[in-house]
Amino acid sequence: QKEVEQNSGPLSVPEGAIASLNCTYSDRGSQSFFWYRQYSGKSPELIMFIYSNGDKEDGRFTAQLNKASQYVSLLIRDSQPSDSATYLCACRNTGGFKTIFGAGTRLFVKA
Amino acid sequence: EPEVTQTPSHQVTQMGQEVILRCVPISNHLYFYWYRQILGQKVEFLVSFYNNEISEKSEIFDDQFSVERPDGSNFTLKIRSTKLEDSAMYFCASGDRVRNQPQHFGDGTRLSIL
Repeated sequence: QKEVEQNSGPLSVPEGAIASLNCTYSDRGSQSFFWYRQYSGKSPELIMFIYSNGDKEDGRFTAQLNKASQYVSLLIRDSQPSDSATYLCACRNTGGFKTIFGAGTRLFVKA
Repeated sequence: EPEVTQTPSHQVTQMGQEVILRCVPISNHLYFYWYRQILGQKVEFLVSFYNNEISEKSEIFDDQFSVERPDGSNFTLKIRSTKLEDSAMYFCASGDRVRNQPQHFGDGTRLSIL
């Protein structure tokens, strides 16, 4: 069974701090990795995607991928109360269409 | 910015009835998906659709489920005989021309089975 594991949290950080969210995956064939943000009762909203080992930065967000360790992370710099949400890690392998989601990490940014 | 639209936003149905959930994907996208999320649980893949046929489906997507792209814009999910456990949020998503591109989700349909 292919799994994506995330710490459920909640992860609580003060406003302005860096939030670090982590994810591990079991399928070594995974090639595409996504971070989605989901507010309560809403649909997943794409934040970042990464395909290659290393870091990818977009504004306040940095995604990090280490395929050897089967590890993906998301850093949120200068965290804002509006970043408070559940962050979903998702993986897909090259040959497939199926995207597997983790259960999500709840982030709470304290003002 | 183009978006995926889903209707209705909330559907209440008696157990055993058929239900059709509708989606209009982003217009130039070629890959279409349905996911569901039971309250408090993970987002789960149901089915993907490409080139007018199912390209992959999960074990959840049994004979009670079907998908259709009846015209150039709509993408539907039909549940033939609903069960209580079908109560969930159902999300449609679409993806661009290249398979590995990220999927963009609609706002979802909340399906409540009574």
